[in-house]
Amino acid sequence: GQQLNQSPQSMFIQEGEDVSMNCTSSSIFNTWLWYKQDPGEGPVLLIALYKAGELTSNGRLTAQFGITRKDSFLNISASIPSDVGIYFCAVLNYGGSQGNLIFGKGTKLSVKP
Amino acid sequence: NAGVTQTPKFQVLKTGQSMTLQCAQDMNHNSMYWYRQDPGMGLRLIYYSASEGTTDKGEVPNGYNVSRLNKREFSLRLESAAPSQTSVYFCATSTGSFGYTFGSGTRLTVV
Repeated sequence: GQQLNQSPQSMFIQEGEDVSMNCTSSSIFNTWLWYKQDPGEGPVLLIALYKAGELTSNGRLTAQFGITRKDSFLNISASIPSDVGIYFCAVLNYGGSQGNLIFGKGTKLSVKP
Repeated sequence: NAGVTQTPKFQVLKTGQSMTLQCAQDMNHNSMYWYRQDPGMGLRLIYYSASEGTTDKGEVPNGYNVSRLNKREFSLRLESAAPSQTSVYFCATSTGSFGYTFGSGTRLTVV
């Protein structure tokens, strides 16, 4: 099946630092999504991207949909302890055994106060 | 509150036992999904239901069965649990054209 390559796998940062993570694919996708999973909870949608080249912000979070439609990145500015969790990229891909939503394997973020 | 409710939240089973994980949504969404999450593996689709009355296999369906009881409810059954099925299970719903809404998960341990 399709695969999304998400990096880094994990990050340990100091509170106040900026964070950057990215996601790439060998195939073109027209919708890219970023989810956050808090410890002990299900993933929650952070940002959805629908247009190649689009840059979208949600508070301290900024995500971009790559111009080739094969990648996306997520930036978090001035990290705080509640940013801790696992961040997943995902793409909408109708049909196939992976269903309509394909997930990356996640970036685990740890923030030191 | 609108959302996706999963029960139970935690379960320990002995190898060979059976159980059903329940999922109910009040969002009036057509599509429902069951995922499992294992360390380093991300979220993998087990089964999904595009609408009431239909179910399809996902990426990792072996050892599981599902029932879409009505529009609200989608259950996942383990007929004979194995240690390899120790995982966190998530139910999700969607309208089919946007991101998914997830439940808070069922943490299953098979000993």
